[in-house]
Amino acid sequence: DAGITQSPRHKVTETGTPVTLRCHQTENHRYMYWYRQDPGHGLRLIHYSYGVKDTDKGEVSDGYSVSRSKTEDFLLTLESATSSQTSVYFCAISESSENRGYGYTFGSGTRLTVV
Amino acid sequence: GQQVMQIPQYQHVQEGEDFTTYCNSSTTLSNIQWYKQRPGGHPVFLIQLVKSGEVKKQKRLTFQFGEAKKNSSLHITATQTTDVGTYFCAGRTLMGGGSYIPTFGRGTSLIVHP
Repeated sequence: DAGITQSPRHKVTETGTPVTLRCHQTENHRYMYWYRQDPGHGLRLIHYSYGVKDTDKGEVSDGYSVSRSKTEDFLLTLESATSSQTSVYFCAISESSENRGYGYTFGSGTRLTVV
Repeated sequence: GQQVMQIPQYQHVQEGEDFTTYCNSSTTLSNIQWYKQRPGGHPVFLIQLVKSGEVKKQKRLTFQFGEAKKNSSLHITATQTTDVGTYFCAGRTLMGGGSYIPTFGRGTSLIVHP
């Protein structure tokens, strides 16, 4: 969808290296989220943000950290990548609206492979 | 914690047949949303249901929210190959920080055979 971009789209990294994924939005939405998607597990929330410098943990936050220094950018960092973090990572944004409630707009995803 | 169970996990249909996926929550929901993810793509918002017993239609898609606001369904009439994908429900309850964090079901993958 227009208004949210993720980078990189694909990345292969080695075990033990730090990795940072970027989510950028142009919608000025307050809420931003990081999810991972794995077969059989659906979408699982890693971290979310409800404003600049306001973040909180999701259900699978171990091994991940986030930062939001500007409204438009939400960074996800894997401090020391492990093979279990091989996944597809989706960023999402939301804001309250009459028709959509807090319905998400997702980015196109980052496919991360840890070897 | 809150759980949202979605069934079936997979559904194979012949083109033209109907399809239904169901979501059940362990707790009462404030609202439920539905998303579609095409193979290789990202989830796309379809609709939100808020009221008890609510029914909404989008062309061949019918969405229902249960009277107790603990279950929901998505029904597709006369499936087409363009309906292929995974359908997710996401149920919301109020959490901290003023944001509404949904719990996603694991999705139902629809495979349509021409």
